[in-house]
Amino acid sequence: AQSVSQHNHHVILSEAASLELGCNYSYGGTVNLFWYVQYPGQHLQLLLKYFSGDPLVKGIKGFEAEFIKSKFSFNLRKPSVQWSDTAEYFCAGGNKGGYNKLIFGAGTRLAVHP
Amino acid sequence: EPEVTQTPSHQVTQMGQEVILRCVPISNHLYFYWYRQILGQKVEFLVSFYNNEISEKSEIFDDQFSVERPDGSNFTLKIRSTKLEDSAMYFCASSGTDYTDTQYFGPGTRLTVL
Repeated sequence: AQSVSQHNHHVILSEAASLELGCNYSYGGTVNLFWYVQYPGQHLQLLLKYFSGDPLVKGIKGFEAEFIKSKFSFNLRKPSVQWSDTAEYFCAGGNKGGYNKLIFGAGTRLAVHP
Repeated sequence: EPEVTQTPSHQVTQMGQEVILRCVPISNHLYFYWYRQILGQKVEFLVSFYNNEISEKSEIFDDQFSVERPDGSNFTLKIRSTKLEDSAMYFCASSGTDYTDTQYFGPGTRLTVL
């Protein structure tokens, strides 16, 4: 069965700390991968996506993620977080060739303290 | 920037009543989706809709649920006879002219079934 898992449910960091949020997926075929962010009181917004090509994907606001096929992983990174990065982060996967329904991970709540 | 809108933001209903949740996707988008998130759980795919018909649906999307695009702008989710377990946040999403396009999410409708 298709699944996406996120290891960290809550992460607390100080400003300027580095961030890495784990995401693993289990899919039968080739997969598209996404990271969405939900700031308090706001919509889910796309941070970045991987469909094919360079496995290191750069997104908005200084975020990046690396697709490692051998590890079934798509971890999100940011070298230096800011207080404004406080949000919930969702990893999601979609099958290539389908209508791209998204399978979401459980989400990681990030709190950044000044 | 165009965005997906949803109404109402919060709906309270009695068990057994019918509810209709409304979404206005981004105007030139062709693919439409409903997802839901029960409190404390993952965001779950319900249904995708393309070319005026359902393209994929999940096991959750049983006969109590239906979707419709009644005119050129709205996309609705109807729950015929609500149950307590239908209480959740319901998100509408739309994507462009290719199914690989990014899905843009609305702010959600919080449905509370009493």
